[in-house]
Amino acid sequence: DTGVSQDPRHKITKRGQNVTFRCDPISEHNRLYWYRQTLGQGPEFLTYFQNEAQLEKSRLLSDRFSAERPKGSFSTLEIQRTEQGDSAMYLCASSLAYDRVLGGYTFGSGTRLTVV
Amino acid sequence: SQQGEEDPQALSIQEGENATMNCSYKTSINNLQWYRQNSGRGLVHLILIRSNEREKHSGRLRVTLDTSKKSSSLLITASRAADTASYFCAFVIGAGGTSYGKLTFGQGTILTVHP
Repeated sequence: DTGVSQDPRHKITKRGQNVTFRCDPISEHNRLYWYRQTLGQGPEFLTYFQNEAQLEKSRLLSDRFSAERPKGSFSTLEIQRTEQGDSAMYLCASSLAYDRVLGGYTFGSGTRLTVV
Repeated sequence: SQQGEEDPQALSIQEGENATMNCSYKTSINNLQWYRQNSGRGLVHLILIRSNEREKHSGRLRVTLDTSKKSSSLLITASRAADTASYFCAFVIGAGGTSYGKLTFGQGTILTVHP
């Protein structure tokens, strides 16, 4: 593994369209996180998986957002009926189980979404 | 809000000078981490300090943690132009082992190092 991969790097979509992003974590990491970051702000937590189980979803996340992690490997984040307020950088990160975390998260380069 | 607060919001220094960034938080934490983000890219983990530690070093980085004041500082010594980036503190809420490690981020400090 060379790190966490996210695809695509950039996505421009029209308001109302659905978009899906993919994240491939480091293979031995069982924890996967999605964050959203707007300009000038720190990342905000969206959701978290341990293996294939989605254990927490932020109250900031509307019902238009859904995330999956089938088989505990890659994850997808889908946004339905996109709105201009969804424009942001979507970051994926992975880590080992908490009690063995020595070096923090490994982040991907992010997917920048622009809704026009 | 449980989000961390960072100070200053922006810092501009000359190459060779030291840069100090501060982070404050409001809850009990298990550990605190610092990350760097170059413009438009993902975050890179710099250093992690646990709640029972007071100071930690990694190369030109020095991190302190004062749990009584709920604050941390990141010192970059002998700064270089390549250190120009945004720096974020992030912490794991909770003093016990039940936390799954969700990070809460501060708003970041933009550091500019002039050659």
